[in-house]
Amino acid sequence: EAGVAQSPRYKIIEKRQSVAFWCNPISGHATLYWYQQILGQGPKLLIQFQNNGVVDDSQLPKDRFSAERLKGVDSTLKIQPAKLEDSAVYLCASAAEIYNEQFFGPGTRLTVL
Amino acid sequence: GQQLNQSPQSMFIQEGEDVSMNCTSSSIFNTWLWYKQDPGEGPVLLIALYKAGELTSNGRLTAQFGITRKDSFLNISASIPSDVGIYFCAGPPNTGNQFYFGTGTSLTVIP
Repeated sequence: EAGVAQSPRYKIIEKRQSVAFWCNPISGHATLYWYQQILGQGPKLLIQFQNNGVVDDSQLPKDRFSAERLKGVDSTLKIQPAKLEDSAVYLCASAAEIYNEQFFGPGTRLTVL
Repeated sequence: GQQLNQSPQSMFIQEGEDVSMNCTSSSIFNTWLWYKQDPGEGPVLLIALYKAGELTSNGRLTAQFGITRKDSFLNISASIPSDVGIYFCAGPPNTGNQFYFGTGTSLTVIP
């Protein structure tokens, strides 16, 4: 069974630029999560989808971050415009259902200069 | 938001030694999960705990769900070099849909 795929693996941008990350969850998984992991910290949940609906986005900085999962499968996370403090690893995870085991992708490391 | 505090923050041990780490929260949790993260990878689930007092093992790993439901413990027996990594506790508090990770414990095993 293929795992969670993320791309790109690395991205370097200048502040005020835009960036997008892509996630392909494990086939059949209804729940998808985006996390932000700043160096030296644990992952912080940004947004949680159940199929193509948002379950929780209370910690998503909505003035600059957006995410969608239009067909209930792949998802994209966008930052527009990026700030220096957005430098982090962005992790995508999926689960068969809410509260089931989450399987993580390798993450996208973003550096904002 | 919720803060899950883990201790110790880092550990340096000799191969073969046992390891103990813990996680505490200010809120009651319904589920406690322990993850391990290797450099450049996403976290991988080690053990899941679902009720207060539960003690669960996975090979050399043993975890316990604290009876107050505000803490959890992870023990690793007879450590080996591949145990190196960062260990996170995580879970959903008993209110809301959020999911939180702890601050992490970095483990270094010296051969």
